[in-house]
Amino acid sequence: DTGVSQNPRHKITKRGQNVTFRCDPISEHNRLYWYRQTLGQGPEFLTYFQNEAQLEKSRLLSDRFSAERPKGSFSTLEIQRTEQGDSAMYLCASGTPRDQYFGPGTRLLVL
Amino acid sequence: AQKVTQAQTEISVVEKEDVTLDCVYETRDTTYYLFWYKQPPSGELVFLIRRNSFDEQNEISGRYSWNFQKSTSSFNFTITASQVVDSAVYFCALRGTGANNLFFGTGTRLTVIP
Repeated sequence: DTGVSQNPRHKITKRGQNVTFRCDPISEHNRLYWYRQTLGQGPEFLTYFQNEAQLEKSRLLSDRFSAERPKGSFSTLEIQRTEQGDSAMYLCASGTPRDQYFGPGTRLLVL
Repeated sequence: AQKVTQAQTEISVVEKEDVTLDCVYETRDTTYYLFWYKQPPSGELVFLIRRNSFDEQNEISGRYSWNFQKSTSSFNFTITASQVVDSAVYFCALRGTGANNLFFGTGTRLTVIP
């Protein structure tokens, strides 16, 4: 296994459009996390899955955001009606109870 | 509440110099984990180390070393004989007892000048 992968790596969209990102975790990890990182800041937690169950959501995850992990493997993060403030790097991590390993991120630019 | 402070926003050193990146944390948990990650220009966060709150032994891995001091709530990271490839943003992070997510500091951008 080569690590956590994310697609697409870059996304440019117009305000008001919907976007969806995909994360493929390391296969033996049952935990999956989404974080958001804005310029000059550290990553901020969005949500966490254990297998297919979404067990925790941050207050940052507004109702325009939805995340799924339908079969306990890959996950998707959808943003509806994007706003310019959604421009950020969206990072996915998978891991064990102790450690988290990050993917390369999807950089979103909302025009 | 969890908080991680990396007071050094940017550091520049000349190649082969040693450099220390500071990390100060706050938590009310008695058991917690501390992490360092490296983020090169490509954007991917690379895991460097995890330390639990019961283990205050310093750790060395090649040119990297970490100094954990509970008395000062610090977990500093030293790179010895820095190289250009060490240029990146370095993040310190904290995970408390029972928490699933990491709390990150704002990062320190290290530039190693050849």
